[in-house]
Amino acid sequence: DGGITQSPKYLFRKEGQNVTLSCEQNLNHDAMYWYRQDPGQGLRLIYYSQIVNDFQKGDIAEGYSVSREKKESFPLTVTSAQKNPTAFYLCASTQTGGAYEQYFGPGTRLTVT
Amino acid sequence: GQQLNQSPQSMFIQEGEDVSMNCTSSSIFNTWLWYKQDPGEGPVLLIALYKAGELTSNGRLTAQFGITRKDSFLNISASIPSDVGIYFCAGLRYSGGGADGLTFGKGTHLIIQP
Repeated sequence: DGGITQSPKYLFRKEGQNVTLSCEQNLNHDAMYWYRQDPGQGLRLIYYSQIVNDFQKGDIAEGYSVSREKKESFPLTVTSAQKNPTAFYLCASTQTGGAYEQYFGPGTRLTVT
Repeated sequence: GQQLNQSPQSMFIQEGEDVSMNCTSSSIFNTWLWYKQDPGEGPVLLIALYKAGELTSNGRLTAQFGITRKDSFLNISASIPSDVGIYFCAGLRYSGGGADGLTFGKGTHLIIQP
C-alpha cells in the first residue's frame, strides 16, 4: 500500500538527549514536511523540503534539524536545544507541480522528561 | 507564524443536525484545505479548494473558497456519530519552487450527542 509511515508511534527520552524521528513515504512525492502539534492547537510548520538535498525552515525551526538524502525519507532530529520538545509530531508529503494537497502520516508522540 | 482564525472552537450537536464552521485570514491563500483528525492520529484530507468562489462537495461535506481568498467554510449535513473529531482548515501559498508549508487553524472540535 502507498502511504507515509512514521516510527515509532510513541517515543520517550530524557531531557538533554537528541532524538531522531523517522518519516518514510512511498508515494513518489517530491516535497515533505514536518509539523508539530500541541494540545488544543493547530499544526505548526517546523521544516520542509521540496527536493532532495534541499530544505527550508518553517515557523518554529529552532532546536530542530533535518536531512533529505533520499526522496523517500525526511528524518527530523529534536535536539537538546529545543526548550519544549514534548509534542505530537506529524510528517506530510505532496507532489509538486500538481494540486499540492498534503497527506499526513500517523504521527509520533514524543515525551521528554 | 500566522495561524488562521477558525470558529467555532467546539460544537455540541444532536445526531442528524447540520454543522457549519469557518476560517478567516488576514492574508490571501492560493489553496484552502479541510482536514479531520481523530485522537492520536494524523489529519485526513476531506476537501481541497483551488479557486476563489469555488464550491466543492464530498458526500455530506460541502466547502467553499471565499471570493476574497481570505476565508473558507465547511458544512456537514445530517451529522452521524462517526463525524466526531477535530476539523482543521489549512491555507497554502505557492512559491517559485513549489508549495510552502500549510498554515493551520486551531481546529473545531465536533461532539455529537445521540
